[in-house]
Amino acid sequence: DVKVTQSSRYLVKRTGEKVFLECVQDMDHENMFWYRQDPGLGLRLIYFSYDVKMKEKGDIPEGYSVSREKKERFSLILESASTNQTSMYLCASSPGRFYEQYFGPGTRLTVT
Amino acid sequence: QKEVEQNSGPLSVPEGAIASLNCTYSDRGSQSFFWYRQYSGKSPELIMFIYSNGDKEDGRFTAQLNKASQYVSLLIRDSQPSDSATYLCAVNRKGSGYALNFGKGTSLLVTP
Repeated sequence: DVKVTQSSRYLVKRTGEKVFLECVQDMDHENMFWYRQDPGLGLRLIYFSYDVKMKEKGDIPEGYSVSREKKERFSLILESASTNQTSMYLCASSPGRFYEQYFGPGTRLTVT
Repeated sequence: QKEVEQNSGPLSVPEGAIASLNCTYSDRGSQSFFWYRQYSGKSPELIMFIYSNGDKEDGRFTAQLNKASQYVSLLIRDSQPSDSATYLCAVNRKGSGYALNFGKGTSLLVTP
């Protein structure tokens, strides 16, 4: 079974803090993704990576950055957390183009 | 026009009935189609994928794809209360094919 893990299930941070969300997959997948999910807005793609050290912006990259130094690990960084970044953050991985994505359990981030 | 559209529901069906969930997409060139189930507070879980026109069956689930009509559906036979969840339709994005466009989901309620 594909396993995607995320570093925290719940996280509370203060406005202005730098926040790191970590995601690890164990299936040697090429592609990894970060989404946020908010009521009424659905899943929105923040960034994705199609190879180590390669990244592409998704639909809402502002205020976020990413890092992929190793194939199995994809990090999302909130440079200076703001209250409008309070959300459920979901990481996913995929074996290749046009293939399915497998999601991690999610991190519910609250910024106060 | 939204990339992937789903009726938000809720769709209510009695236990044992067939639940029919529908999805339309805008990009005629789309190649891969997915259905995810998401329980409240949990992450999306892949149920089925389909690439070719026609039906694909897996247990109680059947995915149907009609590329000419740009329509994909999910049938759930013998619906159970445990099927109550939000069902997300996803379609590969234009261009590179790495990312998916997700619908906002249809809420399904199976009543005993």
